[in-house]
Amino acid sequence: EAQVTQNPRYLITVTGKKLTVTCSQNMNHEYMSWYRQDPGLGLRQIYYSMNVEVTDKGDVPEGYKVSRKEKRNFPLILESPSPNQTSLYFCASSLSLAGGIEQFFGPGTRLTVL
Amino acid sequence: GNSVTQMEGPVTLSEEAFLTINCTYTATGYPSLFWYVQYPGEGLQLLLKATKADDKGSNKGFEATYRKETTSFHLEKGSVQVSDSAVYFCALSDRTDSNYQLIWGAGTKLIIKP
Repeated sequence: EAQVTQNPRYLITVTGKKLTVTCSQNMNHEYMSWYRQDPGLGLRQIYYSMNVEVTDKGDVPEGYKVSRKEKRNFPLILESPSPNQTSLYFCASSLSLAGGIEQFFGPGTRLTVL
Repeated sequence: GNSVTQMEGPVTLSEEAFLTINCTYTATGYPSLFWYVQYPGEGLQLLLKATKADDKGSNKGFEATYRKETTSFHLEKGSVQVSDSAVYFCALSDRTDSNYQLIWGAGTKLIIKP
């Protein structure tokens, strides 16, 4: 089954404790991205990757890191989480952004930073 | 720059009512337009899309027509059901100087009452 998987689905942590949210897709997609969703703010892009070893900042990259060492995986790293990073996070992938190509989303990771 | 504006929610309707969710956009090029839907507790999924002016996207009884003259892509459904309760996102994909850009609206929460 074609899908984007994220782990964990739920995470409660404390300020300053490094964490990684994993994202994996099995569709051989080149483009992957991370979003956060907050009430009243819609989806905001954190980072994106056009291909292996190619990543770039989105609209809200501060406090986050990513890597793309393999095509299928795109982990999101919070080196020192803070309460303002409490949010719902989505990973997405697609063949590309060109000409109406569909984005496929993971189920989301709800992160709470105390 | 490019942008997407959606009507604010929540939109509350009774079952079998007619639905319109407004979406307007600004774009420098010739964007592709999308509606994504997020059911409670899930990730986003593509509902419909249109890639050029006057195209009509349709799926699950929902329709939207790409209107270049009014820069709009309004979502409509003739008779809504309780199961349509979800958050709906309008989005566009447009080519920039060096790449493609994906822009999201803030989302509109739809509540259907039996």
